[in-house]
Amino acid sequence: NAGVMQNPRHLVRRRGQEARLRCSPMKGHSHVYWYRQLPEEGLKFMVYLQKENIIDESGMPKERFSAEFPKEGPSILRIQQVVRGDSAAYFCASSSTGRGTEAFFGQGTRLTVV
Amino acid sequence: DQQVKQNSPSLSVQEGRISILNCDYTNSMFDYFLWYKKYPAEGPTFLISISSIKDKNEDGRFTVFLNKSAKHLSLHIVPSQPGDSAVYFCAASDTGTASKLTFGTGTRLQVTL
Repeated sequence: NAGVMQNPRHLVRRRGQEARLRCSPMKGHSHVYWYRQLPEEGLKFMVYLQKENIIDESGMPKERFSAEFPKEGPSILRIQQVVRGDSAAYFCASSSTGRGTEAFFGQGTRLTVV
Repeated sequence: DQQVKQNSPSLSVQEGRISILNCDYTNSMFDYFLWYKKYPAEGPTFLISISSIKDKNEDGRFTVFLNKSAKHLSLHIVPSQPGDSAVYFCAASDTGTASKLTFGTGTRLQVTL
């Protein structure tokens, strides 16, 4: 029973490029959460999705960031026109309920913008 | 606006002794609190939690204490072991927005031999 799978584990992008981060939830989980951890900071909530729906995107930057969780396939966090300040670790978590307190975290994707 | 604060960035404790990690919060709506442990290059793993209706929860070597009036919680690890060396994050949630967690900045615990 695999845990939450994130790929890639490391991603390097030049300024202005697009970054796509993937998250496959645990089997049987239909709720996905994305968090970002900037250097020397704690994890900050970005978005909560259920299959095909964005439920809470209160933590998402207004521009360049988008997330989806299609009926089939992994959840995708997409960052357009990346800037150096986007360099961070991005963690995905999943749960079988809509309670983030019951979510399991993936190993994260470390994005470096050069 | 840091609603969950961990004021000690690091802590060093000798093996076998007690480790005490502290966390303060400002949002009165928080009613559920969790501690996570994180190793380098890995995601956070759940350690222990406590509801605001309790003031203590124990699980093996780990105990979490909650002081609602002071908006303070602490994690006690007794006895500390070298494998406990990691970054510990305090997180909080309220039932109104149960989908998301608010994390502190973490405390790096080093357990020395």
